Amino acid sequence: EPEVTQTPSHQVTQMGQEVILRCVPISNHLYFYWYRQILGQKVEFLVSFYNNEISEKSEIFDDQFSVERPDGSNFTLKIRSTKLEDSAMYFCASSGGEWGNQPQHFGDGTRLSIL
Amino acid sequence: KQEVTQIPAALSVPEGENLVLNCSFTDSAIYNLQWFRQDPGKGLTSLLLIQSSQREQTSGRLNASLDKSSGRSTLYIAASQPGDSATYLCAVRRVTSGSRLTFGEGTQLTVNP
Repeated sequence: EPEVTQTPSHQVTQMGQEVILRCVPISNHLYFYWYRQILGQKVEFLVSFYNNEISEKSEIFDDQFSVERPDGSNFTLKIRSTKLEDSAMYFCASSGGEWGNQPQHFGDGTRLSIL
Repeated sequence: KQEVTQIPAALSVPEGENLVLNCSFTDSAIYNLQWFRQDPGKGLTSLLLIQSSQREQTSGRLNASLDKSSGRSTLYIAASQPGDSATYLCAVRRVTSGSRLTFGEGTQLTVNP
């Protein structure tokens, strides 16, 4: 069964550094998402992406964050000048269907630890 | 603002028992509702998606129902097995919020052999 893959599985970074989290969505999906889950808290929406542009973003997704689809398969989340509170599990998801109304499928996540 | 609540927060049952997990949401104007399973340190596995026009969906031993007017969904697990032990999350997609999912806190299920 097709799946969403994320790399790396764990990223440790010094505060203030930039990180890029990578995702390969399911190949025929057109809608892409990033969510995060701080330890012990709910999964939170960050951003959705369709047709090479951001379609929606949450209040969390400020100027520190950016997303890109650099080629036909990868979808990346960049976090500039990382802060301690950025430590979380970051999930990539993708969905298909008209208006993305099919199930969202999630990757196994990247655990980001900011020191 | 949509709030999603799951009760109970944790549940421990003996193997073979049938069980029900509950999800409630404050804004009934939803597009669909999705149930997920999350194993410790892992990603989310999609279990069932119910569109707003549907009343229930079934997959194997799982049955999810949706009552949009009362803002409730239930996930029924029949003949539970130790391998069902995980955290179960429900998430709703609102009509007015694009395609973002709003998640509940989850129910941590333990099925004892």
